[in-house]
Amino acid sequence: DQQVKQNSPSLSVQEGRISILNCDYTNSMFDYFLWYKKYPAEGPTFLISISSIKDKNEDGRFTVFLNKSAKHLSLHIVPSQPGDSAVYFCAASGSTDKLIFGTGTRLQVFP
Amino acid sequence: DTAVSQTPKYLVTQMGNDKSIKCEQNLGHDTMYWYKQDSKKFLKIMFSYNNKELIINETVPNRFSPKSPDKAHLNLHINSLELGDSAVYFCASSRGGSRGNIQYFGAGTRLSVL
Repeated sequence: DQQVKQNSPSLSVQEGRISILNCDYTNSMFDYFLWYKKYPAEGPTFLISISSIKDKNEDGRFTVFLNKSAKHLSLHIVPSQPGDSAVYFCAASGSTDKLIFGTGTRLQVFP
Repeated sequence: DTAVSQTPKYLVTQMGNDKSIKCEQNLGHDTMYWYKQDSKKFLKIMFSYNNKELIINETVPNRFSPKSPDKAHLNLHINSLELGDSAVYFCASSRGGSRGNIQYFGAGTRLSVL
C-alpha cells in the first residue's frame, strides 16, 4: 500500500522553463512534507519542505504548493537549469519523524 | 568532510554469507536511520535509533540486525544473505524527536547478492 505516489516517473523540460513535479498522498494524518533531490551514486539531499498549516513555501527558484483537500503537493522550479537534472522524491511524515517516500520523478533539463 | 558516511560503497557477495555495512555521522544528531531502495526505486525505512535506542523497526526480517555502539554510529548486519536483499542501502541522520526534522543521507551502499 503506497501512501505517497509520484505518478510521473520522468519529466523533460527545456532550460529556463518551469518544471512542475507532482505528488499525491493517501494518509490524512500526514502533516509535514518534504522534497529531496538525488543525483546518481549520491544520497538524497533535502530541498524544501512544507507544513500542513501552510499552502505554499518558497525558497529561491523552488516553491512547494500543498492542497490538503486534494491530498496533493507539487514542486515548482523556475527557471529550470541543467544542474537541476536529478531524481526528485516527495516524502511525508505524520506524528513521528518517520518519512514515507514516493518512488521519485526523474527530471531532465535540456538546453 | 562528509556529514554521513557509509562503508563500503559497493558490496558483492554470495547467498548465505553474512555482511555488515557501517555508518557514521559527524553532525551531532541524536537519531539515525537505515533505508532500503529496491529495484523499483522505492525508498523505504527499515530502522531508526534515537540515542542508541531502537525507535522504528519496520517488519524487517530478523536476519537484519542494526547495532548502535554510540549515537554517531549505526551499523547494519545482515545474516544469511538472500537474492532479494540486493538493493541500495542508505543511512541517514537527523536531530530527531519530532516530525519536520530534516534527514541527511549518506551516499548509499549498493549490495549485490549472487
